[in-house]
Amino acid sequence: EAGVAQSPRYKIIEKRQSVAFWCNPISGHATLYWYQQILGQGPKLLIQFQNNGVVDDSQLPKDRFSAERLKGVDSTLKIQPAKLEDSAVYLCASTITPGAGNEQFFGPGTRLTVL
Amino acid sequence: AQSVTQPDIHITVSEGASLELRCNYSYGATPYLFWYVQSPGQGLQLLLKYFSGDTLVQGIKGFEAEFKRSQSSFNLRKPSVHWSDAAEYFCAVARPYNTDKLIFGTGTRLQVFP
Repeated sequence: EAGVAQSPRYKIIEKRQSVAFWCNPISGHATLYWYQQILGQGPKLLIQFQNNGVVDDSQLPKDRFSAERLKGVDSTLKIQPAKLEDSAVYLCASTITPGAGNEQFFGPGTRLTVL
Repeated sequence: AQSVTQPDIHITVSEGASLELRCNYSYGATPYLFWYVQSPGQGLQLLLKYFSGDTLVQGIKGFEAEFKRSQSSFNLRKPSVHWSDAAEYFCAVARPYNTDKLIFGTGTRLQVFP
């Protein structure tokens, strides 16, 4: 069974530029999550999708971050414009359905460096 | 609000030695508890989880964890560490029946010397 795929694996940009990350969850997984992991910290949930609808985006800085999952499968996370403090690893995870006991499977992440 | 504390930022052990990684949580009731491992360049992998029942939980790769309600702790243990266990370990909590909302600790980096 293929795992969660993410691309690119690394990205370096200048501040005020824009960047986009792509995630392909495990086949059949209805729920998709984006996490931000700043160096020295644990992952923090940014947004959760159930199929193509947003369940929770309360921690997403909506003035600069956006995410979509148009067909309920792949997802894209965008930052525009990027700030220095956005340097982090962006992790995508998926699970079959939300709720008790269902494991979240994580992708390898995209490491973003903002100069 | 829920929170997780991992007091050890970095631990170094010799290969073959025993290991204990500490995790303390703050929550009004008993949360769901998890340990994840993150190897360099890899995503997080679930080692084990505790929802209820037996307070000693067995996981993958020879790890176990013990839930102690009186101490609000969920420490991870392994009797004999292998060099391949070198990684970052994260403790996480979630409200019961709502494992979507994982709250992670800051992690403990494990270094293993031969």
